[in-house]
Amino acid sequence: QLQVQESGPGLVKPSETLSLSCTVSGGSINNNSYYWGWIRQPPGKGLEWIGSFYYSGSTYYNPSLKSRVTISVDVSRNQFSLKLTSVTAADTAVYSCAHHGPGGFHIWGQGTMVTVSS
Amino acid sequence: QSALTQPASVSGSPGQSITISCTGTTSDVGGYNYVSWYQHHAGKAPKLMIYDVTNRPSGVSDRFSGSKSGNTASLTISGLQPEDEADYYCNSYRSSSTRWVFGGGTKVTVL
Repeated sequence: QLQVQESGPGLVKPSETLSLSCTVSGGSINNNSYYWGWIRQPPGKGLEWIGSFYYSGSTYYNPSLKSRVTISVDVSRNQFSLKLTSVTAADTAVYSCAHHGPGGFHIWGQGTMVTVSS
Repeated sequence: QSALTQPASVSGSPGQSITISCTGTTSDVGGYNYVSWYQHHAGKAPKLMIYDVTNRPSGVSDRFSGSKSGNTASLTISGLQPEDEADYYCNSYRSSSTRWVFGGGTKVTVL
C-alpha cells in the first residue's frame, strides 16, 4: 500500500530556507502515474496547495509562492523535497506531502509542523 | 488567486442530511470534473471522501455523496453521525498556473 511520510526541521529562522522531504513507501516514485505534491495549513487557517510535480517531470507551483518554492525529486531515495526560501512567520504551518491525480489527493502524509521563529 | 467559496459552518442533528456547497468559476469547478472533498479532524491527515466530483474511494461510507451543477459543487452527508463532526474542504483543478485550489473549509457540527 502506497504511503508517504514527511520529515525535516520543525523550527526555521526568519529569512532562512525551509527544507522538507517526503519519503514514498509501498511503491516507486518513478513508476506511479499522476502527481506528487505539497500542501500546507497555517494555524487556524485552511489548506493551501503549494506545488506538485508529475512523474514524467513537469512541475507546477502556486503562483503566490512560485518565486520562493522548489520541488525536486531523488529517485534513488524514493523521495521528493520541498524548499521554501526567505521564510517569514506567515510560512508557519503544518506541511503535508501527498500523491494525487487531477481530481483528488488520494494519499496524504501525517503532516509536519514547521514554525518560523528566531 | 482566490480560494473556492464554502460556507464557514453547517450543522445538523444526528440522522439528518446536510449539504456543503463549493462555488468556483468556469475556470475550475465549472470547467472540469475534477472536484474533490476532504474530511479533516484536527491533528490528523485530511481524508479523501469524494474525487472526480462523484466518486467515493474504497472504504468511504455511502452516506457521503458528491455532485456538481454549473460552477457549484456539493457534498451531501446523509444520516449524519457524531463522528462526521469535522472540517470539510473542497478542491478543484484550475486552468491556470494555479492548477489546484482549495475552498476555505466548512466546519460541520452535529447538534
